[in-house]
Amino acid sequence: DQQVKQNSPSLSVQEGRISILNCDYTNSMFDYFLWYKKYPAEGPTFLISISSIKDKNEDGRFTVFLNKSAKHLSLHIVPSQPGDSAVYFCAASAKTGANNLFFGTGTRLTVIP
Amino acid sequence: DVKVTQSSRYLVKRTGEKVFLECVQDMDHENMFWYRQDPGLGLRLIYFSYDVKMKEKGDIPEGYSVSREKKERFSLILESASTNQTSMYLCASSPPGQSTGNTIYFGEGSWLTVV
Repeated sequence: DQQVKQNSPSLSVQEGRISILNCDYTNSMFDYFLWYKKYPAEGPTFLISISSIKDKNEDGRFTVFLNKSAKHLSLHIVPSQPGDSAVYFCAASAKTGANNLFFGTGTRLTVIP
Repeated sequence: DVKVTQSSRYLVKRTGEKVFLECVQDMDHENMFWYRQDPGLGLRLIYFSYDVKMKEKGDIPEGYSVSREKKERFSLILESASTNQTSMYLCASSPPGQSTGNTIYFGEGSWLTVV
C-alpha cells in the first residue's frame, strides 16, 4: 500500500519556466516531508524539506508547499534550468528518524533548453 | 566529502545463486539502510541497521538478509536469487539517533539482473 504517491511519472518544462511537482500522502501521522533529486547512475540527494508546522519552505529556486488538510505537497522550481532534469522523489516521515522514511514513486523532470 | 560506496554497480546472476551486495560508508554513521527501487514503486526499505550486529526488517525483507560486522560495512544477501529480485539496490547511511531524513546519504546504486 503506497502511502506516498506521485501521480505524474514525468513532466516536461521549458527552460526559465516554473516546474511544479506534486505529491500526495495518505498517513495523517506524517509530520516531516522531504524532496530528493536523483540523476541517472547516482544515488538520490537531499533537496529540501518541510515540517508539518509550516506550510512553505523556500531555498533559492526551490520552494516546497504543504497543504495538510489535503495531504498534499508540491515542489516549485523557478526558474527551471536544464541541470534540473532528474527524477524527483518525495518522502515522508511520521517522526524524526531516517529509518521511517516512506518514498513516492518519483517524477522524471525534463527541462527543455 | 561524504561517501557511500557500493562495490558492484552491475551484476547478472542466475536463479538460485547466493548474491552479496556490499556497501561501505566513510562517515562513521551508525545507521545504514538497504532500499530497492523499482519502476512505479519508488524506494522501498528492505533492512536497516542502527549499530554493529544490529538489524531490523524494513517493508520488504522477504528473500533477503543482511550482515553488519563492522560499523562502516553493511551487506545485503540474497540467499537464493529469484527473477523478481531483479532491481536497483540502494545503500544509504545516516547519523545516529533522531536524525532527520535530510541527513541520509545514498550510494550510487547496484543494478542486479537475475536470469
